[in-house]
Amino acid sequence: DVKVTQSSRYLVKRTGEKVFLECVQDMDHENMFWYRQDPGLGLRLIYFSYDVKMKEKGDIPEGYSVSREKKERFSLILESASTNQTSMYLCASSFLSAGGLGEQYFGPGTRLTVT
Amino acid sequence: AQRVTQPEKLLSVFKGAPVELKCNYSYSGSPELFWYVQYSRQRLQLLLRHISRESIKGFTADLNKGETSFHLKKPFAQEEDSAMYYCALSGRTGFQKLVFGTGTRLLVSP
Repeated sequence: DVKVTQSSRYLVKRTGEKVFLECVQDMDHENMFWYRQDPGLGLRLIYFSYDVKMKEKGDIPEGYSVSREKKERFSLILESASTNQTSMYLCASSFLSAGGLGEQYFGPGTRLTVT
Repeated sequence: AQRVTQPEKLLSVFKGAPVELKCNYSYSGSPELFWYVQYSRQRLQLLLRHISRESIKGFTADLNKGETSFHLKKPFAQEEDSAMYYCALSGRTGFQKLVFGTGTRLLVSP
């Protein structure tokens, strides 16, 4: 079974704090992704990475950064948390496939509240 | 621009009724289409993808390139089908990332 784990299920932070969300996958996947999930807006891609130390901006990267120092780990960083970053954050991973996008496997999510 | 539209936020049906969750897409090229599902208190997971042409849990989806649609269908809904359903697309070249629709919540009542 593919396992994607996220460091916290629930997190409460204050405005201006630096926040780290960690994601680890155990299937040797090349691709890793960070999304935020909001009611009525669906899933929106924040950043993704297709290799160690590589990163690409998604659709809503503002206010976020990422780090991928090891293949299995992908971190999302909120440099200075704001209330509009209160959301559910989902991590996902997939194989890099020449034949098209493989199935993405999702973590359980981190519900972040910024007060 | 890549875009996925799911026009219904909520679809409510009775058990045994047919279900169709609508999905329309905009993409210049030949995309890959997916349906992902999230049951209550579970993680998001792949339900089916158009290239596999499978029927999963009684659900099917046909890619209609003329109408740019990928509607999800099931002839007889079950209560356990109640969940959030997301349609998504990916390009076949370039970076392999998904573009998701806003989701449709399916509620199947007894």
